[in-house]
Formats: sequence, C-alpha cells, structure tokens
Amino acid sequence: GAVVSQHPSWVICKSGTSVKIECRSLDFQATTMFWYRQFPKQSLMLMATSNEGSKATYEQGVEKDKFLINHASLTLSTLTVTSAHPEDSSFYICSARGQGTETQYFGPGTRLLVL
Amino acid sequence: AQSVTQLDSHVSVSEGTPVLLRCNYSSSYSPSLFWYVQHPNKGLQLLLKYTSAATLVKGINGFEAEFKKSETSFHLTKPSAHMSDAAEYFCVVTERGTDKLIFGTGTRLQVFP
Repeated sequence: GAVVSQHPSWVICKSGTSVKIECRSLDFQATTMFWYRQFPKQSLMLMATSNEGSKATYEQGVEKDKFLINHASLTLSTLTVTSAHPEDSSFYICSARGQGTETQYFGPGTRLLVL
Repeated sequence: AQSVTQLDSHVSVSEGTPVLLRCNYSSSYSPSLFWYVQHPNKGLQLLLKYTSAATLVKGINGFEAEFKKSETSFHLTKPSAHMSDAAEYFCVVTERGTDKLIFGTGTRLQVFP
C-alpha cells in the first residue's frame, strides 16, 4: 500500500516552454501533497504544500507564478514549471499524505533538463 | 526550531559487517522521527518511523533505530550490510505545528564486497 507515482520520470524541454509533472496516490486518498526539489548530491528542499481543493502554500523564495501547483482531486496533484530555464533543471519529487497521518509517501521523482 | 544533524556524509562498510548511520535532532518537544532511503535516481522510501511509542523501532530490510531522548539521537543500524543497501539515507524530523518534514543532509552508504 501507500504507492505514489510520478509522470513523467524524466523530461527534456527547450528553454521557454512549460512542463507539467503529475503526482498520483495510487491506493490512498492524499489530502495533502508536497513538492520537493533536489539538486545533485543535496538534500530535499520543500517547494510547496498543497491541500486538496485549496491553493498551495509556497515556501519562502519559491515563485508561485513560476511553479504552478494544482491539487484538484484526492489522488492527483500537478506541478507546472512555466517558461522553464536551464536553472530549473533539477530532480522534482512529490510526496503524499493521507488524512490523520503524518507519514509522507514519496514518488519516484521526475528529472527535468531544460536546454 | 527543530533540526536534524547527520554526523557523517559518507559511510563505507564491507558486506556482512554492521552499519551505523548517526543522526542527532534538536527539538523542544517529543518529535516524530523518520529514516528514508534513496537509491540513485529514485524517490525516497520510508525505512522506519518513531512516533513516541517503543523507543526501538524496527523497519524494513533489517534496519532498526533507537530513539534516545537523553542523547537526542536516532541512529540507524543494521547488523549485516548487503550490497543492495548502498544508497543515500536521510534522517527526518517533523516540524511541530506544521506539515513539514525537516531533512538532514544525508549519509551516503557504500558497501564493499
């Protein structure tokens, strides 16, 4: 149980284009989903927290207009990197948490390369 | 504020020998603590968690961790390392009153044959 998937697993795009990453909880309802960013050989940095049906809460320094997050259902959250630039290249990981629990279950990550 | 310190950035062991990955936390209350493992280019997998029940927590793949309040430690151990244990390990604490996980900087475990 508690499986989280991400799609795509990797994506290469041109600078200036937008990229959408999906995060799905496959066998539980995720009332809260989290988006992290991880640079090579570094720890995870929380970008934002999203609750189903609400606007996402962004961490300090994360541009909400650049990283659009939607959590329209209890099993799906999306992260859209708008007008991507090479510095947005990174490993993006989502996690999901069910109601009344504190354990976050992580997706396998999406590697984004912006050329 | 809560924080987590992983004392070793790299640990190398021989296959079949014990593993010890050290973690100290700072918290003004009894925190929830987790260990996650990340294999190369993969997401994080929960190894085990401590949530104020038994201080010795058993996880998956033969790992366990002991919560020691007096030492503010939550070290991860395994009696006998396997080649497949080679990965990055993160000690994590929850931030009180929020949903946030606070990650340590990670410990890379290498296992030699």
